[in-house]
Amino acid sequence: QQPVQSPQAVILREGEDAVINCSSSKALYSVHWYRQKHGEAPVFLMILLKGGEQKGHDKISASFNEKKQQSSLYLTASQLSYSGTYFCGTKALTQGGSEKLVFGKGTKLTVNP
Amino acid sequence: DAGVTQSPTHLIKTRGQHVTLRCSPISGHKSVSWYQQVLGQGPQFIFQYYEKEERGRGNFPDRFSARQFPNYSSELNVNALLLGDSALYLCASSSRTGGYANTGELFFGEGSRLTVL
Repeated sequence: QQPVQSPQAVILREGEDAVINCSSSKALYSVHWYRQKHGEAPVFLMILLKGGEQKGHDKISASFNEKKQQSSLYLTASQLSYSGTYFCGTKALTQGGSEKLVFGKGTKLTVNP
Repeated sequence: DAGVTQSPTHLIKTRGQHVTLRCSPISGHKSVSWYQQVLGQGPQFIFQYYEKEERGRGNFPDRFSARQFPNYSSELNVNALLLGDSALYLCASSSRTGGYANTGELFFGEGSRLTVL
């Protein structure tokens, strides 16, 4: 089951804040966040492994609410370098029983000067 | 240290042809996964290989196959190409082990962009 991300797109001015949400209709055991800049590879940001966990990476932080089956990514005082598409991924099982990541459709963030 | 490298970076094929995409993981990583990313969508899991064995397969037809070599590099093969196979094919490596390697930190290559005409 693919996680749902919102909003689909957001445009900011440098220094503004943004929140990107990721929710699932199934139980979430972990949430993975990646950023992909145009024409580049997705880059790992962070993993949240348990409910209530919060993590930070520079001025980007995230929370995980296990009960609500959702995670939020917070971008504070955005910089031009934050522009890109943000994907959340959730864990699922393959037919063979190993784990895989199922990614949402992404949230495109544009930071303007 | 070199990151994940993929080749070719771009290629154009016609319907019915077959394609082979190659991936070299980060040195020391034994797990390689393949993802398909259609424009405007998130990456979709195709295969995971660990120690030359297939550990996971996504919902893709049998036209898609892959293998991993003793040096942990990998190739993805797609036969009987369809227009819908046009996408960016991403390879990711992980330092985690076994069937759990796909849910740790993934290091992605820049991908092979396949266009099917």
